[in-house]
Amino acid sequence: SQQGEEDPQALSIQEGENATMNCSYKTSINNLQWYRQNSGRGLVHLILIRSNEREKHSGRLRVTLDTSKKSSSLLITASRAADTASYFCATVTGGFKTIFGAGTRLFVKA
Amino acid sequence: DVKVTQSSRYLVKRTGEKVFLECVQDMDHENMFWYRQDPGLGLRLIYFSYDVKMKEKGDIPEGYSVSREKKERFSLILESASTNQTSMYLCASSFGFDRDDQPQHFGDGTRLSIL
Repeated sequence: SQQGEEDPQALSIQEGENATMNCSYKTSINNLQWYRQNSGRGLVHLILIRSNEREKHSGRLRVTLDTSKKSSSLLITASRAADTASYFCATVTGGFKTIFGAGTRLFVKA
Repeated sequence: DVKVTQSSRYLVKRTGEKVFLECVQDMDHENMFWYRQDPGLGLRLIYFSYDVKMKEKGDIPEGYSVSREKKERFSLILESASTNQTSMYLCASSFGFDRDDQPQHFGDGTRLSIL
């Protein structure tokens, strides 16, 4: 069963705009991770946020986590055409149990 | 940089064939994973391994088996391929026994078609 569900399923923005993607999940987690997948390639890890953290930054990425609402958001600031990809949240509930959502497809128009 | 290499990018096989998908990682990672990725379903875990000769079933192990004879290599086997196993298969590895805070490093996938 899917744990993380991303919203929206697809997002189209202009270069320079910010992109926000959301992830909701159902059960308690140890940490939540975000990955990017370029077309025809494997997933690349972007950032991890632990269950006791509320916000984390990495370059143009900002991730928030609200465990009371069982949700997370990924913000990409000043988007570039190269950010065009699918973005997945992955929830880790313990041990090796990592559950990936269906992803958000982001298209950044130059 | 970690490199996870999958032996084939594209593979076409026939129903009933035994199919082997190979994955090699070069970073001495303890953990290796096999996922399949289907549109709208995200990634689903088939099997994972946390040590040589050790394996654990994931969410959808039916119709698959795995082999890990060496630490760097993890093979996925489709015992008798069926058309509903047409999918993108992704291999991943991660560091550390019993560590759930390590990123998974993925190969570029094998797009398998069963005719």
